[in-house]
Amino acid sequence: DTGVSQDPRHKITKRGQNVTFRCDPISEHNRLYWYRQTLGQGPEFLTYFQNEAQLEKSRLLSDRFSAERPKGSFSTLEIQRTEQGDSAMYLCASSLAVGLYNEQFFGPGTRLTVL
Amino acid sequence: AQTVTQSQPEMSVQEAETVTLSCTYDTSESDYYLFWYKQPPSRQMILVIRQEAYKQQNATENRFSVNFQKAAKSFSLKISDSQLGDAAMYFCAYAGGSNYKLTFGKGTLLTVNP
Repeated sequence: DTGVSQDPRHKITKRGQNVTFRCDPISEHNRLYWYRQTLGQGPEFLTYFQNEAQLEKSRLLSDRFSAERPKGSFSTLEIQRTEQGDSAMYLCASSLAVGLYNEQFFGPGTRLTVL
Repeated sequence: AQTVTQSQPEMSVQEAETVTLSCTYDTSESDYYLFWYKQPPSRQMILVIRQEAYKQQNATENRFSVNFQKAAKSFSLKISDSQLGDAAMYFCAYAGGSNYKLTFGKGTLLTVNP
């Protein structure tokens, strides 16, 4: 296993279109996180899953955003009716929750550009 | 809400020299974790070093060490013997006692000059 992977790496779309991103975590990692990173900022937490259950969503995750993790494996993040403000890098991370500490391993990200 | 502040948008260091990156945070929790992440240009973020708040001893990983001042809520990263490969954006991050979501600072862009 080579780490967290994300697909696509880059996505250019027109305003109003729907987009879907995929994240494949490190196998056997039971936690999966989504973050958004805009230019000049640090990543901001969006949501996270423990196995297939979505346990928390940030208020940044508007109704146009939905995330799933069927069967507790890969995850998808969908943005409906994209807006220019959605342009950002979307990062996925995974971890194995053991005891009190779990290091998050990040994927390379999907860079979204909304025209 | 927890906040993380990195007051140095950019720093530069000569190769083989030492540089310190600053980070302060605000929290009301007593149990938490602090991290420094490195994000090289167009590459994925990797963990450099972590510190558990309940540990008084400062963490060290090879050339990387931290100065953790819990009362002052300060968490600086020292890079010794800087190498060209250390050039990257460095993010300070916080995670609460349940240790799931990370709260990041805005980052410090480190340039290493040959």
